[in-house]
Amino acid sequence: AQSVAQPEDQVNVAEGNPLTVKCTYSVSGNPYLFWYVQYPNRGLQFLLKYITGDNLVKGSYGFEAEFNKSQTSFHLKKPSALVSDSALYFCAVVYSGAGSYQLTFGKGTKLSVIP
Amino acid sequence: AAGVIQSPRHLIKEKRETATLKCYPIPRHDTVYWYQQGPGQDPQFLISFYEKMQSDKGSIPDRFSAQQFSDYHSELNMSSLELGDSALYFCASSMDRGGTGELFFGEGSRLTVL
Repeated sequence: AQSVAQPEDQVNVAEGNPLTVKCTYSVSGNPYLFWYVQYPNRGLQFLLKYITGDNLVKGSYGFEAEFNKSQTSFHLKKPSALVSDSALYFCAVVYSGAGSYQLTFGKGTKLSVIP
Repeated sequence: AAGVIQSPRHLIKEKRETATLKCYPIPRHDTVYWYQQGPGQDPQFLISFYEKMQSDKGSIPDRFSAQQFSDYHSELNMSSLELGDSALYFCASSMDRGGTGELFFGEGSRLTVL
């Protein structure tokens, strides 16, 4: 079964500091990995994805993620955190169902950027 | 740009009542999904439709049903509501049956069952 794990329920970082939100995956075959962000009482927004190619993927709002096959990880990073980055972040993996592709999400990590 | 539209945004029902949620996908998207997100939980896949036909079922209770209409909008019908059904219900749409993994989510419908 395809799954992702986010080992941290919450990450706190000071504004201006680099941030990392961790994700590890367990998939058979080549993984299709994603990061989504959810602001309070809002829908999920796509940030970035890894399908194939460069291990460093750049996405929206200055975020990037590094795919590491040996460590089965796909950590989300940003060089300098903003207060407005405070939100819930979900790592996800896509898998093929009987009729369509679907996403399985991790449990989510709450990021708090402290001014 | 057009986004996924969900209605109502908030809904309060009593136990054993029925609720219907509506979703209007982004034009020309071929796949619609329904997800349920309980308090403090990750979104759980309920059901999906590809070109108006049900394509996959996830953890959708038998009390729930859904359909997609000729204009591509979808409705999630929930009957015999239970307290545990209180959650945020998201609709999402995508192209290419979701193979790109880029789902576009609506703002969600918050159901509260009293």
